[in-house]
Amino acid sequence: ETAVFQTPNYHVTQVGNEVSFNCKQTLGHDTMYWYKQDSKKLLKIMFSYNNKQLIVNETVPRRFSPQSSDKAHLNLRIKSVEPEDSAVYLCASSFTSQNTLYFGAGTRLSVL
Amino acid sequence: GDQVEQSPSALSLHEGTDSALRCNFTTTMRSVQWFRQNSRGSLISLFYLASGTKENGRLKSAFDSKERRYSTLHIRDAQLEDSGTYFCAAEANTGANTGKLTFGHGTILRVHP
Repeated sequence: ETAVFQTPNYHVTQVGNEVSFNCKQTLGHDTMYWYKQDSKKLLKIMFSYNNKQLIVNETVPRRFSPQSSDKAHLNLRIKSVEPEDSAVYLCASSFTSQNTLYFGAGTRLSVL
Repeated sequence: GDQVEQSPSALSLHEGTDSALRCNFTTTMRSVQWFRQNSRGSLISLFYLASGTKENGRLKSAFDSKERRYSTLHIRDAQLEDSGTYFCAAEANTGANTGKLTFGHGTILRVHP
């Protein structure tokens, strides 16, 4: 049963455009994450938020900015996309104390 | 270097056989999780371990409680639906509990008749 919802599923855009991805969880979790999965399937954390507060901010380019309106939502904006941003972006959530991660289905970004 | 070393990178099994995947950590870890990613890209959590072992059906996972530097995932009586990419991910045993996971590179498992 899906409880972490991501939109869109796919997005194709051109270099230099701005994109936004949405994520919502209905599990009542207090922590949400964005991970990037590259073409070799390696997953790397980008950001995590706990109760709307940024707690992990890995070394990602400044054009990436997370946005959290409440603990159930964590969006990701990319200003001026680059070709290397092509990847699958996976949103996840967890209870901080337990840390079992529940992932969304992902958003596949293709930058032409 | 990589903190999480996963092996093997690929595995082919006959239906009904048993096998094991392993992750070694270059530093002590607080916890480990195992996931399976299906062909559509969905990542499903299989186990979360802070220590010891857990079992669920034909799957069993262990996390070395003493040194906290490796974990295993055992698959018993492999079935076709077990095919997919398996990832281990671990949280380093340092500082605050941030939930930040470092993933292994994955094991591509194919189960065939």
